[in-house]
This record gives sequence, structure tokens and C-alpha cells, in this order.
Amino acid sequence: EVQLVESGGGLVPPGGSLRLSCAASGFTFNNYAMTWVRQAPGKGLEWVSTIGGSGGSTDYADSVKGRFTISRDDSNNVLYLQMNSLRAEDTAVYYCAKGIGSTGTLDYWGQGTLVAVSS
Amino acid sequence: DIVMTQSPLSLPVTPGEPASISCRSSQSLLHSNGNNYLDWYLQKPGQSPQLLIYLGSNRASGVPDRFSASGSGTDFTLKISRVEAEDVGVYYCMQPLQNLGVTFGGGTKVEIK
Repeated sequence: EVQLVESGGGLVPPGGSLRLSCAASGFTFNNYAMTWVRQAPGKGLEWVSTIGGSGGSTDYADSVKGRFTISRDDSNNVLYLQMNSLRAEDTAVYYCAKGIGSTGTLDYWGQGTLVAVSS
Repeated sequence: DIVMTQSPLSLPVTPGEPASISCRSSQSLLHSNGNNYLDWYLQKPGQSPQLLIYLGSNRASGVPDRFSASGSGTDFTLKISRVEAEDVGVYYCMQPLQNLGVTFGGGTKVEIK
């Protein structure tokens, strides 16, 4: 059974940093692209970043480019999102999701972790 | 980035009746390989999103056959043949191509009348 468990969320002041983790199990982690998607309170879904299988290429939404870094540890089946220079508008639930095939289609999602940026 | 526009914003439905949601993209999602790169997701209340449809019209594993999707290019439709109470939630379309900037539609909230 595929499981994705996010952690690392919390309250952080503007300008601060946070690192999210997503522990994956139930599939061959290094074979699949992984993605972070966020959802601001009461709002819709926003793609944040994707990393290819085996630490392949990375892509970022313009809204986080230069501030966030996606990475993966294929030895321990963990996906990361390093978030720097956080802003109030980064407040959201952050979901990690597993990709299928060569596109960004997401077939499994974690339960999400809440990041709140506030002073 | 490609802009995805869904309608309606809200859709009150009667159990047992059909329902339909539209999604339009600002650029064609029809690839030269013949695939339409358009997914549909459902986020039930208090839950994470779940994949319903990928590549325009392919049901994901475990998705009931009352869900179907069609369309090509820039116009797509998700249909529920007979709505059940468990189908309530927010439906999102998404174009999944990272090189174009993955984008979601704004969502359509389906609720029981």
C-alpha cells in the first residue's frame, strides 16, 4: 500500500525558513517523480515543485522559484522541501504527491502538513 | 503559464441525477502523440485530493464507472452519470506538464441539494 506522510510544518515568522519532509513507502521510490502541491486556507490547489525520479530534473512555480528547493533521499525514501524567505502568502497546507508516467499526473497524495507564516 | 478555467463554481445536485463540469484551457492540451494532458481530481471534505481521470478520459484505478470524461484541445468535461452522496466535494482539473507550468483550475464545489 502506497503511503505518503508529510511532516515539518509549523508556525514561522516572515523571512524564516522551514524544511518539510515526506516519508514514502509501498512503492519503488526512486522510480517516480514526486511533487509538492499547496492549498492556502479556503482556497484551491497550487502546484509548487516537482523532482524527477532518481533526483532528476526539478521544476518550480514562479511564486517560489529562488526561495524553495526540492530534493529527495532515495536511500531513505524521503522527499524534502526547503523553504526560505517565507512570506505570509506561503501559508498553506502542503501536500506531497507521487507522480505517474512522464507527466505531472499525481496518483497518490499525503495528508498534508500546515505551514503558517506569521509574526 | 496555461490558465485553466472551470465552470460552474458551484453545482447543487440531486442524488441519482447526472452532473457535468466544464474545464477550459488557455492553450491546447492535445499533444502530438495524440494524448490530451488533462487530469481531474476530487477533494472530498476534510480529505486530500484524489485522482479521478488522467490523460483526458482514463479513469484511475478504483474510480467508479459513473465518472467519465471527454474533450480535446482546450475544452474538457467531467460527467457523473448518477450522483451519489459520496461524490460531494471540490473537483479540480489540472494540466500536468511541468515544462508549461503545472496549473489547476479554480475548482467546482459539488453539493447535495
